[in-house]
Amino acid sequence: QKEVEQDPGPLSVPEGAIVSLNCTYSNSAFQYFMWYRQYSRKGPELLMYTYSSGNKEDGRFTAQVDKSSKYISLFIRDSQPSDSATYLCAMTGTTSGTYKYIFGTGTRLKVLA
Amino acid sequence: DVKVTQSSRYLVKRTGEKVFLECVQDMDHENMFWYRQDPGLGLRLIYFSYDVKMKEKGDIPEGYSVSREKKERFSLILESASTNQTSMYLCASNLRPQHFGDGTRLSIL
Repeated sequence: QKEVEQDPGPLSVPEGAIVSLNCTYSNSAFQYFMWYRQYSRKGPELLMYTYSSGNKEDGRFTAQVDKSSKYISLFIRDSQPSDSATYLCAMTGTTSGTYKYIFGTGTRLKVLA
Repeated sequence: DVKVTQSSRYLVKRTGEKVFLECVQDMDHENMFWYRQDPGLGLRLIYFSYDVKMKEKGDIPEGYSVSREKKERFSLILESASTNQTSMYLCASNLRPQHFGDGTRLSIL
């Protein structure tokens, strides 16, 4: 079983739609959760960073973490063509000195004008 | 804003060459990382450094080495480049959260 599962897509939605992106993971030690946006031929850009369970909102983006289900989500409201990119989830543990990140393989999103 | 700068966006080298990839960060972070990203395989950790002159192997260190002589700079070295090292190389800075550079797309012919 992979440590993190992420649907590769592609996911195509019309402009203005609400987008839901998800990852499931298996290691209950993960405490820090991130979402990155990666445009073609560029590096991943940090979008959201959350600790433990709960919700975090930043503009049109909302990140949710459900540690009991080992499930994280990123919601994009009022999606725009400029949101077309690959979205990577990432997670890591809390032990002092822990460095290891686990990344999803990414979901490709296309927002149609 | 954190800035992580990778010296080259695109690089073409020949098999057997020694290749240097450079990464610089401007936030005085102790931790720096090198990953490679391949389709279907995601990001895989090659090496990381938690302080000047300190390094640890990641998941796929074979064929690579690193150097960290100054806190802001972390170099990845391909000792003798091979075609299976053609990839996108990403440098990251900071432990939590990590911040990435724009990547170096390296082709080995």
